[in-house]
Amino acid sequence: AQSVAQPEDQVNVAEGNPLTVKCTYSVSGNPYLFWYVQYPNRGLQFLLKYITGDNLVKGSYGFEAEFNKSQTSFHLKKPSALVSDSALYFCAVRRLSSGGYNKLIFGAGTRLAVHP
Amino acid sequence: GAVVSQHPSWVICKSGTSVKIECRSLDFQATTMFWYRQFPKQSLMLMATSNEGSKATYEQGVEKDKFLINHASLTLSTLTVTSAHPEDSSFYICSASQFSNQPQHFGDGTRLSIL
Repeated sequence: AQSVAQPEDQVNVAEGNPLTVKCTYSVSGNPYLFWYVQYPNRGLQFLLKYITGDNLVKGSYGFEAEFNKSQTSFHLKKPSALVSDSALYFCAVRRLSSGGYNKLIFGAGTRLAVHP
Repeated sequence: GAVVSQHPSWVICKSGTSVKIECRSLDFQATTMFWYRQFPKQSLMLMATSNEGSKATYEQGVEKDKFLINHASLTLSTLTVTSAHPEDSSFYICSASQFSNQPQHFGDGTRLSIL
């Protein structure tokens, strides 16, 4: 069964420093992986996805993620954190239902706190 | 592009009433829409998947008669929480995708509080 793990409940980083939010996955077959961000009382905003191709995926707001097949990881990164990046981040893997629907399985979420 | 609008954003009502939440895709046609529930400080839990013109597919443990889903057009899906009780209080989020293999785009969610 497909699953996603985000081992950190919270990540704290100083503004201007690089940030990493970790995600590992377990899938059968080739993984379709996603990162979403959620601000308070809002829905999820799509950041980036990995389907195939280059292992380093670039997304919105300066974020990128590195797909590592041997370590089954898809960590989210940003070279220089901003206070406005503080939010809840979700990693997700696509799972095809029996009806062919594109379901998303979400990790538990990681709260990123960027301090001035 | 790919904007999903969810309404209302916040609703407070008395126990026993029914509440309808709308999810609209504003600039694309959504063949598939998804309804999620999110408890405080927790991840999203998929409740059901709906396809335009057909019955919704509910996840295990989700009561079909409690959470009525209608996907009457390619731009609108509704979730009705029937005879709501305090335990139904939660943050409900919809998402939509143009095709089943396309990324999901999310609405801003509806915070439902049942007194």
